[in-house]
Amino acid sequence: QKEVEQDPGPLSVPEGAIVSLNCTYSNSAFQYFMWYRQYSRKGPELLMYTYSSGNKEDGRFTAQVDKSSKYISLFIRDSQPSDSATYLCATYLVFGKGTRLSVIA
Amino acid sequence: GAGVSQTPSNKVTEKGKYVELRCDPISGHTALYWYRQSLGQGPEFLIYFQGTGAADDSGLPNDRFFAVRPEGSVSTLKIQRTERGDSAVYLCASSWTLGSEAFFGQGTRLTVV
Repeated sequence: QKEVEQDPGPLSVPEGAIVSLNCTYSNSAFQYFMWYRQYSRKGPELLMYTYSSGNKEDGRFTAQVDKSSKYISLFIRDSQPSDSATYLCATYLVFGKGTRLSVIA
Repeated sequence: GAGVSQTPSNKVTEKGKYVELRCDPISGHTALYWYRQSLGQGPEFLIYFQGTGAADDSGLPNDRFFAVRPEGSVSTLKIQRTERGDSAVYLCASSWTLGSEAFFGQGTRLTVV
């Protein structure tokens, strides 16, 4: 089993929708988690960093970690066409496959 | 520097040749990571440096791949006897230490023809 599992999508939503992106991980020792946004032909851009369990909010983005179920989520409120990108979850050197998101105007 | 810098941005090489990819991390970051990304995939871990030493090189696919970081700053990923399957985007990231926020460069797109 891969250490981080992420549904590759693609996911298509209308502008203004709430987007939920999710990953599961296998190693309960993992303590820190990151979400990246990657536009085509660009390097990954760090969006959110969380340590241990709980929620973290930054503008329209909320990262959530549930260590009991080894589940991490990224919520995007009021989604915009500029949010169209691939979103990657990561923990301890390991990345998910990425979820491709399209926000349609 | 302001961010992680990778050079060259693109590299085309012939099968069997040797290539070097360079990464200049954010100033002061002691941890440096190399990843490889193929189309439609997430970054695949290759090697992680803490300071000058390779703390984890378990992701290097074979002995054709080697990386160094002699002064604890700039790192070079070296690939010998390149194969067409080595074609990918090679990404470098850095952070204050393992477990802190990691920032990526724009990558080097390697094409082996």
